[in-house]
Amino acid sequence: KQEVTQIPAALSVPEGENLVLNCSFTDSAIYNLQWFRQDPGKGLTSLLLIQSSQREQTSGRLNASLDKSSGRSTLYIAASQPGDSATYLCAPAGGTSYGKLTFGQGTILTVHP
Amino acid sequence: NAGVTQTPKFQVLKTGQSMTLQCAQDMNHEYMSWYRQDPGMGLRLIHYSVGAGITDQGEVPNGYNVSRSTTEDFPLRLLSAAPSQTSVYFCASSVTPGLLYGYTFGSGTRLTVV
Repeated sequence: KQEVTQIPAALSVPEGENLVLNCSFTDSAIYNLQWFRQDPGKGLTSLLLIQSSQREQTSGRLNASLDKSSGRSTLYIAASQPGDSATYLCAPAGGTSYGKLTFGQGTILTVHP
Repeated sequence: NAGVTQTPKFQVLKTGQSMTLQCAQDMNHEYMSWYRQDPGMGLRLIHYSVGAGITDQGEVPNGYNVSRSTTEDFPLRLLSAAPSQTSVYFCASSVTPGLLYGYTFGSGTRLTVV
């Protein structure tokens, strides 16, 4: 059974800092890994999708890397802004779960002005 | 293009009542699924469907029924609501089971069972 761990559980930083959020998973036979953002009381917004054959994916100030063999992914946020404050969730898909998403507990990010 | 639409957004039920949470997508996605989100437990898969007429159980299926008569709709039925089913429910869809494309999530239904 796939298990996902996200570190740190919470992060509070001043505006402008570069951040790294970590995600580890136990079943490395995944098809892809998706990073989501969730604002309080809202749904999940997809940020980045990395296929198992890719090493990284970029969108604006966000960069996600994937090391499938070691079961790790990182989300890098450059020049953080207060609007980045949210919960960030990683979810690998596939392996023995055939395409189904397994979620970590998330990292709660607070960026202070 | 509405994406994934969930109704209602909020619902309060009494123990023992039944109800259906609606989920509809207009992207012609074959794969649809239901998750519940609870504090400290994260998001857990309830049921999923790989196409019309095909459904299967996820991690926490007890107390819930699903059916998939059309590609667009995937309703979740609570047969006899219990306080343990108080949660936020999310519906998600994908072109295929997340292999080449990511998942799109609805905005959620917040359910309270008293």
